[in-house]
Amino acid sequence: GAVVSQHPSRVICKSGTSVKIECRSLDFQATTMFWYRQFPKQSLMLMATSNEGSKATYEQGVEKDKFLINHASLTLSTLTVTSAHPEDSSFYICSARGSRDYEQYFGPGTRLTVT
Amino acid sequence: GQNIDQPTEMTATEGAIVQINCTYQTSGFNGLFWYQQHAGEAPTFLSYNVLDGLEEKGRFSSFLSRSKGYSYLLLKELQMKDSASYLCAVSGNDYKLSFGAGTTVTVRA
Repeated sequence: GAVVSQHPSRVICKSGTSVKIECRSLDFQATTMFWYRQFPKQSLMLMATSNEGSKATYEQGVEKDKFLINHASLTLSTLTVTSAHPEDSSFYICSARGSRDYEQYFGPGTRLTVT
Repeated sequence: GQNIDQPTEMTATEGAIVQINCTYQTSGFNGLFWYQQHAGEAPTFLSYNVLDGLEEKGRFSSFLSRSKGYSYLLLKELQMKDSASYLCAVSGNDYKLSFGAGTTVTVRA
């Protein structure tokens, strides 16, 4: 149980375009989803916390107009990188937490490359 | 703010034991996690400590001292497949996870 999927696993896009990444909890209802970014040889950095039906809470230094997060249902959250630039190239990972869980369940990650 | 420190790299021999230390200073504490991450993959859960003491799970054990802001992950009977990055993460307010920079463990034959 507690499986989280992400789609796509890899995406290459041109500078200036937008990319949407989906995060789904497959066998549980995720009241909270988290979006992380990881640059090479660095640790995971929390970008934002997403609660179903409400606006996402962004960490300091993360542009909310650039990284649009939608948590429309208890099983789906999306992250849209708008007007992507090469410096946005990174490994984006989501995680999901149920209402009674202390643990976060991680998705497999999405490798974004902006050319 | 959160401050989580762990060594950058460790090397050990197959069959040996390695201990990865983690010290933390955080605002709010809802537990400490250890994750394993292979290159290019997402982290996988290893252990969770919220009370002081040792949690043992097969070849992996994790220890926590809340008063000292200290934890360690103990890997026994090392195998080649244990070569990976090990992440210490503290769950703070609102269950947000703050990660350390990770410790890269290299297991040599």
